[in-house]
Amino acid sequence: EADIYQTPRYLVIGTGKKITLECSQTMGHDKMYWYQQDPGMELHLIHYSYGVNSTEKGDLSSESTVSRIRTEHFPLTLESARPSHTSQYLCASSGLRRGSTDTQYFGPGTRLTVL
Amino acid sequence: QKEVEQNSGPLSVPEGAIASLNCTYSDRGSQSFFWYRQYSGKSPELIMFIYSNGDKEDGRFTAQLNKASQYVSLLIRDSQPSDSATYLCAPLAAAGNKLTFGGGTRVLVKP
Repeated sequence: EADIYQTPRYLVIGTGKKITLECSQTMGHDKMYWYQQDPGMELHLIHYSYGVNSTEKGDLSSESTVSRIRTEHFPLTLESARPSHTSQYLCASSGLRRGSTDTQYFGPGTRLTVL
Repeated sequence: QKEVEQNSGPLSVPEGAIASLNCTYSDRGSQSFFWYRQYSGKSPELIMFIYSNGDKEDGRFTAQLNKASQYVSLLIRDSQPSDSATYLCAPLAAAGNKLTFGGGTRVLVKP
């Protein structure tokens, strides 16, 4: 089972602030993902990375940006937060071990509220 | 048409009964299929995955896959109140390692 961590767990901030949501994993997984989920709604992929210095946008357009400088770390940044960014942000990671299926494991999530 | 279709529910089952959840998908190239459980306000946790046609059992859970019909299901035997959650179906895309999640089926197990 993967160990994947997200901080902060809850964040309430004002409009216009720059924020960074942290995600770290200790499993050595090469792939990492960011999802956005509104209450009672579907999970949407907003960013993913298949390795260091590799990042791609997901299926849902997002004003956030990501970086992958270290294998274990995949932070998400919003340069200027707006109320429309209020949501839950979930980080996941996966890594294919020989003979296994590439399974994504999720962190606990960050619930962001922008006032 | 959505890429992954699930009945949103709620699916209400009495304690001890079998809950049957269905999922259809549009990407014929999908080879692996994942079922996650998500409690309200929590993150998804993996229940099981399946990649071969037929049945796969893991404890009280059985996944069934029919690639020809583009259909995957999850059975929960001897349902417990702790099984009350939303169950997400997620095929792995043929291209890349991206999961596409369905909207989930909410299950309510009543004592």
